[in-house]
Amino acid sequence: SQQGEEDPQALSIQEGENATMNCSYKTSINNLQWYRQNSGRGLVHLILIRSNEREKHSGRLRVTLDTSKKSSSLLITASRAADTASYFCATDNGGNTPLVFGKGTRLSVIA
Amino acid sequence: DAGITQSPRYKITETGRQVTLMCHQTWSHSYMFWYRQDLGHGLRLIYYSAAADITDKGEVPDGYVVSRSKTENFPLTLESATRSQTSVYFCASSELVNQPQHFGDGTRLSIL
Repeated sequence: SQQGEEDPQALSIQEGENATMNCSYKTSINNLQWYRQNSGRGLVHLILIRSNEREKHSGRLRVTLDTSKKSSSLLITASRAADTASYFCATDNGGNTPLVFGKGTRLSVIA
Repeated sequence: DAGITQSPRYKITETGRQVTLMCHQTWSHSYMFWYRQDLGHGLRLIYYSAAADITDKGEVPDGYVVSRSKTENFPLTLESATRSQTSVYFCASSELVNQPQHFGDGTRLSIL
């Protein structure tokens, strides 16, 4: 069953704008991960944030985690057409169980 | 090159037939996973394996069989395919169960 739920389901922005996607989850986590999926390809890991971290950066990506609200956000700054993809969050719920993926946000960046 | 490869990329078959999807990884990761991806359902875990000869059910295991005789291979078999199993199937691997996963590019399976 889904743990993380991304919001919005779809997002369309102009090149150069920032894109923000959110992920909410229900139970406590050890870490939360974000993945990107280009059309017709497999998922690619972007960034992992641990439960004791509040913010993490990687290039144009910024991830925040608010464990009190059980939510995370992925910000892509200065978006490019090449950022067009689906973005998924995945939660590690501990107990030696596999990651649970959300349904994803489809991002379209228009040149 | 290190990576994870799935074969075939595309497969069309008929209901009732047996079909096997292959997955091979070159990292020697302990964990391997099979997912199906359907519109509206996101990614759902079918089976996973912690090591050779150790497999566990995921969220949607019915109608599927897996084996893992070697660390690098994790085939998924549909013993008697049904139309509801039409989907895109992804294989993934990771060193630990909660660490980032590496995905193959998927097998698009159509069952007529």
